[in-house]
Parts: sequence; C-alpha cells; structure tokens
Amino acid sequence: GENVEQHPSTLSVQEGDSAVIKCTYSDSASNYFPWYKQELGKRPQLIIDIRSNVGEKKDQRIAVTLNKTAKHFSLHITETQPEDSAVYFCAAPEGGNEKLTFGTGTRLTIIP
Amino acid sequence: EAQVTQNPRYLITVTGKKLTVTCSQNMNHEYMSWYRQDPGLGLRQIYYSMNVEVTDKGDVPEGYKVSRKEKRNFPLILESPSPNQTSLYFCAPMLDSPLHFGNGTRLTVT
Repeated sequence: GENVEQHPSTLSVQEGDSAVIKCTYSDSASNYFPWYKQELGKRPQLIIDIRSNVGEKKDQRIAVTLNKTAKHFSLHITETQPEDSAVYFCAAPEGGNEKLTFGTGTRLTIIP
Repeated sequence: EAQVTQNPRYLITVTGKKLTVTCSQNMNHEYMSWYRQDPGLGLRQIYYSMNVEVTDKGDVPEGYKVSRKEKRNFPLILESPSPNQTSLYFCAPMLDSPLHFGNGTRLTVT
C-alpha cells in the first residue's frame, strides 16, 4: 500500500515569510497529489492539487511542486498571512486512486 | 450548491450500543468514502464505495460497516462501539480525492 510521510509536524513562520511543507510517498504509480487545509474546528478543505504530468502548479500565494523521480511533493505558501494558520494535510493514492493515504499533518502557525 | 450532510455532529455513547452515522450528498458522485481523524495520525480511510452496492475496506475497517443502497447515502455503522473508536469522523464524496468533506461527527465511546 501507499505510505505517505509529511514534515514538519509543526511549523512557525513570521508573517510575510514563506512556508514549505514536504511529503514523500512510496507508490510509484500514484499520479494525483492533493493538499488540504483544516482550520481549527472545521473540516478539511482542498486547496490545491497536482497531477503527475506537471512539475509545478500555482494558485495565487500557494504552489505545489512534484518530483516523481524522488517521489516527493511540497506545498509552498508565500507572503504568509495570519489566516494561513491551520493544519495542512497532503495525500497520495494507491495506483488505482481508490485508496487515498493522508500524511499526518503539519500545524502551521503564522506569527504576526 | 454542493452539499454533504453528516449527522449527528456530536455523539456520546456507551460501549456496545449500536450506532449509525449518516452521510448524504447531493452531487450525484459515485465514489464516497469515510475517514476518521485522530491526533498525530491524520485522516485514515475506513471504508469507501465506488458505486451503489459496491463497498470496500480502507486502511482501518475493523469495527465498522457501511451500506450503499443508493448513490446519495453512505451510512457508517458501528455494531458494537468500543472506546478506541472515539474519534472525529468525516464522510466525503470523491473524484480523485475528497471534494467536500462533511462537517464531521465527533464520537465519544465510554
């Protein structure tokens, strides 16, 4: 099955600086990699995803990069703001996309 | 508007008392999934369903059952709950990954 590791588990960043969260996966057949943001007391929400036919995808201040050779993908948040404080989860499917394995989460705190 | 309705939001029960958590979606998705969320462990898939009457085990299916008699509803059943099933539960219709999680059910088993 798929094994997803996420680092770091906690991250504190000064407002305005960048934050990077990294995930590795084990199933070389995985081809879709979503990222979720979960604010305190709320449900996770999909914020960005990437497919294995591209190496990078951007959406305003967030971007995701994918290195299929090394089997890792990263979330980049630039110009961080207090509302970016949340727990972030990466995920990767087993090859057939039926079973999705999540990382254990990164608690991001933006320091004003 | 896309909606996933999960009930109840909070539930406290005792060991062994059967319970059902309901999940209903209005997006006509064939693929639905149940997850539990525990501190330090992230979200773990319990069961999923690719279509009506088609269900399969996720990573942590022990102690759970699901039912998919119609596309819209995907209830999670705990026949004999135990304290280690105290957790936060989410259902989600899916494409490649959860599109819209339900609001969650916080279950406490004493």
